[in-house]
Amino acid sequence: DAGVIQSPRHEVTEMGQEVTLRCKPISGHNSLFWYRQTMMRGLELLIYFNNNVPIDDSGMPEDRFSAKMPNASFSTLKIQPSEPRDSAVYFCASRVRGWSRPPGELFFGEGSRLTVL
Amino acid sequence: AQSVTQLDSQVPVFEEAPVELRCNYSSSVSVYLFWYVQYPNQGLQLLLKYLSGSTLVKGINGFEAEFNKSQTSFHLRKPSVHISDTAEYFCAVSQGSGGSNYKLTFGKGTLLTVNP
Repeated sequence: DAGVIQSPRHEVTEMGQEVTLRCKPISGHNSLFWYRQTMMRGLELLIYFNNNVPIDDSGMPEDRFSAKMPNASFSTLKIQPSEPRDSAVYFCASRVRGWSRPPGELFFGEGSRLTVL
Repeated sequence: AQSVTQLDSQVPVFEEAPVELRCNYSSSVSVYLFWYVQYPNQGLQLLLKYLSGSTLVKGINGFEAEFNKSQTSFHLRKPSVHISDTAEYFCAVSQGSGGSNYKLTFGKGTLLTVNP
Protein backbone atom coordinates (compact mmCIF):
# COMPACT_ATOMS: atom_id res chain seq x y z
CA ASP A 1 0.00 0.00 0.00
CA ALA A 2 1.24 3.48 -0.79
CA GLY A 3 1.89 5.58 2.25
CA VAL A 4 1.96 9.34 2.53
CA ILE A 5 4.06 10.65 -0.33
CA GLN A 6 6.03 13.86 -0.04
CA SER A 7 8.13 15.73 -2.56
CA PRO A 8 10.78 16.86 -2.86
CA ARG A 9 12.75 14.82 -0.33
CA HIS A 10 15.49 17.41 -0.28
CA GLU A 11 15.44 21.05 -1.29
CA VAL A 12 18.29 23.51 -1.14
CA THR A 13 17.45 27.08 -2.01
CA GLU A 14 18.65 30.58 -1.45
CA MET A 15 17.14 33.11 0.87
CA GLY A 16 14.26 34.96 -0.73
CA GLN A 17 13.25 32.16 -3.09
CA GLU A 18 9.82 30.56 -3.08
CA VAL A 19 9.60 26.98 -1.83
CA THR A 20 6.70 24.61 -2.46
CA LEU A 21 6.42 21.31 -0.65
CA ARG A 22 3.92 18.72 -1.80
CA CYS A 23 2.00 15.95 -0.12
CA LYS A 24 -0.25 13.13 -1.26
CA PRO A 25 -2.11 11.61 1.72
CA ILE A 26 -3.18 8.00 1.97
CA SER A 27 -6.32 7.35 -0.04
CA GLY A 28 -9.40 7.44 2.16
CA HIS A 29 -7.82 9.56 4.88
CA ASN A 30 -9.76 12.74 5.53
CA SER A 31 -7.39 14.52 7.91
CA LEU A 32 -4.06 15.99 6.88
CA PHE A 33 -1.37 17.61 8.98
CA TRP A 34 1.82 19.53 8.24
CA TYR A 35 4.53 19.36 10.89
CA ARG A 36 7.96 20.99 11.08
CA GLN A 37 10.87 19.32 12.86
CA THR A 38 13.95 21.18 14.07
CA MET A 39 16.59 20.37 16.66
CA MET A 40 15.67 23.37 18.75
CA ARG A 41 11.88 23.14 18.75
CA GLY A 42 11.20 19.49 17.99
CA LEU A 43 7.99 18.62 16.13
CA GLU A 44 5.57 21.48 15.72
CA LEU A 45 2.13 21.31 14.17
CA LEU A 46 1.84 23.93 11.45
CA ILE A 47 -1.64 23.33 10.06
CA TYR A 48 -4.45 20.78 10.16
CA PHE A 49 -7.00 20.10 7.42
CA ASN A 50 -10.17 18.07 7.79
CA ASN A 51 -12.09 17.17 4.62
CA ASN A 52 -9.84 19.60 2.72
CA VAL A 53 -10.77 22.54 4.97
CA PRO A 54 -8.14 24.22 7.17
CA ILE A 55 -9.29 23.77 10.74
CA ASP A 56 -6.29 24.95 12.74
CA ASP A 57 -3.51 27.08 11.27
CA SER A 58 -2.37 28.57 14.57
CA GLY A 59 1.03 26.95 14.18
CA MET A 60 1.87 28.64 10.89
CA PRO A 61 4.81 30.85 11.85
CA GLU A 62 3.99 33.93 9.82
CA ASP A 63 2.44 35.21 6.63
CA ARG A 64 5.32 33.89 4.59
CA PHE A 65 3.84 30.42 5.11
CA SER A 66 0.70 29.24 3.36
CA ALA A 67 -0.92 25.85 2.85
CA LYS A 68 -3.63 24.60 0.56
CA MET A 69 -5.56 21.42 0.03
CA PRO A 70 -7.43 21.74 -3.26
CA ASN A 71 -8.68 18.14 -3.12
CA ALA A 72 -8.57 15.04 -0.96
CA SER A 73 -5.42 13.72 -2.59
CA PHE A 74 -3.10 16.71 -2.64
CA SER A 75 -1.77 19.43 -0.38
CA THR A 76 0.97 22.03 -0.65
CA LEU A 77 2.96 24.04 1.86
CA LYS A 78 4.48 27.18 0.43
CA ILE A 79 7.09 29.50 1.88
CA GLN A 80 7.55 32.84 0.17
CA PRO A 81 10.06 34.37 0.65
CA SER A 82 12.16 31.72 2.35
CA GLU A 83 14.66 32.54 5.09
CA PRO A 84 17.54 30.55 6.61
CA ARG A 85 15.55 30.02 9.82
CA ASP A 86 13.00 28.05 7.80
CA SER A 87 15.55 25.27 7.37
CA ALA A 88 13.96 22.15 8.83
CA VAL A 89 12.37 18.85 7.95
CA TYR A 90 8.73 19.27 7.01
CA PHE A 91 6.45 16.29 7.50
CA CYS A 92 3.04 15.64 6.10
CA ALA A 93 0.80 13.16 7.93
CA SER A 94 -2.70 11.83 7.38
CA ARG A 95 -5.32 9.75 9.13
CA VAL A 96 -8.99 8.93 9.26
CA ARG A 97 -10.96 11.32 11.40
CA GLY A 98 -14.15 10.11 13.05
CA TRP A 99 -15.90 12.66 15.18
CA SER A 100 -17.26 10.15 17.67
CA ARG A 101 -14.19 7.97 17.82
CA PRO A 102 -10.70 8.42 19.21
CA PRO A 103 -8.24 9.63 16.62
CA GLY A 104 -6.88 6.92 14.39
CA GLU A 105 -3.24 6.23 13.75
CA LEU A 106 -1.36 9.13 12.24
CA PHE A 107 0.71 8.08 9.20
CA PHE A 108 3.74 10.20 8.35
CA GLY A 109 5.50 10.75 5.09
CA GLU A 110 9.28 10.54 4.91
CA GLY A 111 9.64 14.30 5.10
CA SER A 112 11.06 17.10 2.98
CA ARG A 113 14.40 18.38 4.22
CA LEU A 114 14.64 22.08 3.43
CA THR A 115 17.88 24.02 3.55
CA VAL A 116 17.74 27.76 2.96
CA LEU A 117 21.14 29.34 2.40
CA ALA B 1 -2.93 23.22 27.17
CA GLN B 2 -1.05 19.96 27.26
CA SER B 3 2.68 19.31 27.26
CA VAL B 4 5.05 16.38 27.15
CA THR B 5 8.44 16.00 28.80
CA GLN B 6 10.83 13.29 27.77
CA LEU B 7 13.32 13.19 30.57
CA ASP B 8 16.27 11.81 28.64
CA SER B 9 17.47 13.20 25.35
CA GLN B 10 19.84 10.27 24.80
CA VAL B 11 19.87 6.72 26.14
CA PRO B 12 22.79 4.44 25.22
CA VAL B 13 22.41 0.75 26.05
CA PHE B 14 24.06 -2.52 25.13
CA GLU B 15 22.35 -5.09 22.97
CA GLU B 16 20.04 -7.48 24.87
CA ALA B 17 19.84 -5.11 27.84
CA PRO B 18 16.47 -3.82 29.06
CA VAL B 19 15.56 -0.21 28.42
CA GLU B 20 13.07 2.33 29.73
CA LEU B 21 12.38 5.64 28.02
CA ARG B 22 10.62 8.07 30.28
CA CYS B 23 7.72 10.33 29.42
CA ASN B 24 5.68 12.64 31.60
CA TYR B 25 2.76 14.71 30.46
CA SER B 26 0.63 17.51 31.81
CA SER B 27 -2.99 18.07 30.95
CA SER B 28 -6.06 19.33 32.73
CA VAL B 29 -8.31 16.87 30.92
CA SER B 30 -8.28 13.20 30.04
CA VAL B 31 -5.70 12.26 27.45
CA TYR B 32 -4.72 9.81 24.79
CA LEU B 33 -1.04 8.86 24.82
CA PHE B 34 1.22 7.61 22.06
CA TRP B 35 4.77 6.52 21.38
CA TYR B 36 6.21 6.98 17.91
CA VAL B 37 9.56 5.82 16.53
CA GLN B 38 11.63 7.59 13.89
CA TYR B 39 14.40 5.72 12.09
CA PRO B 40 17.09 7.79 10.34
CA ASN B 41 15.80 9.75 7.35
CA GLN B 42 12.30 8.41 7.76
CA GLY B 43 8.96 9.63 9.02
CA LEU B 44 7.46 8.73 12.36
CA GLN B 45 5.79 5.37 12.86
CA LEU B 46 3.31 4.48 15.62
CA LEU B 47 4.69 2.06 18.21
CA LEU B 48 1.73 1.92 20.56
CA LYS B 49 -1.12 3.97 21.99
CA TYR B 50 -3.20 4.27 25.13
CA LEU B 51 -6.79 5.34 24.62
CA SER B 52 -8.58 3.71 27.55
CA GLY B 53 -8.85 0.45 29.47
CA SER B 54 -5.82 -1.54 30.57
CA THR B 55 -2.98 0.70 31.64
CA LEU B 56 -0.38 -1.68 30.19
CA VAL B 57 -0.23 -1.30 26.46
CA LYS B 58 1.70 -3.57 24.12
CA GLY B 59 3.02 -2.36 20.80
CA ILE B 60 5.07 -3.49 17.88
CA ASN B 61 8.64 -4.81 18.04
CA GLY B 62 8.25 -6.03 21.63
CA PHE B 63 7.74 -2.60 23.18
CA GLU B 64 5.22 -1.88 25.91
CA ALA B 65 4.22 1.15 27.94
CA GLU B 66 2.35 1.71 31.17
CA PHE B 67 -0.04 4.57 31.74
CA ASN B 68 0.19 5.91 35.29
CA LYS B 69 -2.45 8.55 35.86
CA SER B 70 -1.35 9.50 39.37
CA GLN B 71 2.20 10.12 38.21
CA THR B 72 1.13 11.47 34.81
CA SER B 73 3.62 9.18 33.15
CA PHE B 74 3.71 6.89 30.13
CA HIS B 75 7.11 5.21 30.15
CA LEU B 76 8.18 2.96 27.30
CA ARG B 77 9.95 -0.32 28.02
CA LYS B 78 11.53 -3.23 26.24
CA PRO B 79 13.05 -6.18 28.12
CA SER B 80 15.79 -6.88 25.58
CA VAL B 81 16.85 -4.45 22.84
CA HIS B 82 18.39 -5.16 19.46
CA ILE B 83 20.76 -3.11 17.35
CA SER B 84 17.83 -2.46 15.03
CA ASP B 85 16.00 -0.59 17.81
CA THR B 86 18.44 2.30 17.43
CA ALA B 87 16.20 5.23 16.58
CA GLU B 88 14.57 8.33 18.02
CA TYR B 89 11.48 7.79 20.12
CA PHE B 90 8.76 10.38 20.62
CA CYS B 91 6.08 10.47 23.26
CA ALA B 92 2.91 12.34 22.29
CA VAL B 93 -0.35 13.35 23.94
CA SER B 94 -3.71 14.47 22.67
CA GLN B 95 -6.81 15.62 24.44
CA GLY B 96 -9.06 12.67 25.30
CA SER B 97 -12.30 14.23 24.27
CA GLY B 98 -13.77 17.17 22.48
CA GLY B 99 -13.01 18.78 19.19
CA SER B 100 -9.34 19.34 19.96
CA ASN B 101 -8.41 15.67 20.20
CA TYR B 102 -6.89 15.90 16.72
CA LYS B 103 -3.94 17.82 18.07
CA LEU B 104 -0.91 15.71 18.96
CA THR B 105 1.69 17.41 21.14
CA PHE B 106 5.07 15.72 20.86
CA GLY B 107 7.95 15.55 23.28
CA LYS B 108 11.44 16.52 22.13
CA GLY B 109 12.41 12.90 21.56
CA THR B 110 14.83 10.39 23.08
CA LEU B 111 17.62 9.00 20.96
CA LEU B 112 18.07 5.33 21.80
CA THR B 113 21.44 3.97 20.72
CA VAL B 114 21.95 0.24 21.04
CA ASN B 115 25.59 -0.80 21.07
CA PRO B 116 26.94 -4.30 20.36
